[in-house]
Amino acid sequence: NAGVTQTPKFRVLKTGQSMTLLCAQDMNHEYMYWYRQDPGMGLRLIHYSVGEGTTAKGEVPDGYNVSRLKKQNFLLGLESAAPSQTSVYFCASSLKSEQFFGPGTRLTVL
Amino acid sequence: AQSVTQLDSHVSVSEGTPVLLRCNYSSSYSPSLFWYVQHPNKGLQLLLKYTSAATLVKGINGFEAEFKKSETSFHLTKPSAHMSDAAEYFCVVSDGSSTLGRLYFGRGTQLTVWP
Repeated sequence: NAGVTQTPKFRVLKTGQSMTLLCAQDMNHEYMYWYRQDPGMGLRLIHYSVGEGTTAKGEVPDGYNVSRLKKQNFLLGLESAAPSQTSVYFCASSLKSEQFFGPGTRLTVL
Repeated sequence: AQSVTQLDSHVSVSEGTPVLLRCNYSSSYSPSLFWYVQHPNKGLQLLLKYTSAATLVKGINGFEAEFKKSETSFHLTKPSAHMSDAAEYFCVVSDGSSTLGRLYFGRGTQLTVWP
């Protein structure tokens, strides 16, 4: 089992560019999550999904969109990147309360 | 509402001495509590979890935590620090009101271990 994987690992964008981060899990988990991690802030929930075809907003959803077309994949999109979105992004999945995290994507927006 | 307060942003210890990382929580429901560890440039790894069974929880790498409802605390301890324990540690509470298991993170405690 690969667990939770994320692509890409690193990315540099210019302000206004768009991109999609991909999260994949092979544990057949229903729930999936996207977080961002900023220094001194812990992890903050961006969006989450309770099953294929469903998504919901988390704590800091503005500027992001998500899609869950397949149970194993959860995509995070930035339509028009801003410097404030420079962060490390983590995806996670869970069956119940314990979440399993991917290795993260380090995104820099210039 | 759920929230977590990690009382120290940085803790420094010498190798071989005890580690104490403090965490207080607030929860409207019977909480599930977790400690995660993050080594530099890595993802998060679960150290241990409390889910309403024994109040003293043992985790990996010699860590343990005690759930104290009266003090709303879930402090992480280890009898003897090792250099490899240097990392950032997150105390986390789960939303017990639903099966979603939404997590609320503390801001993290950076543990430094001196030789």
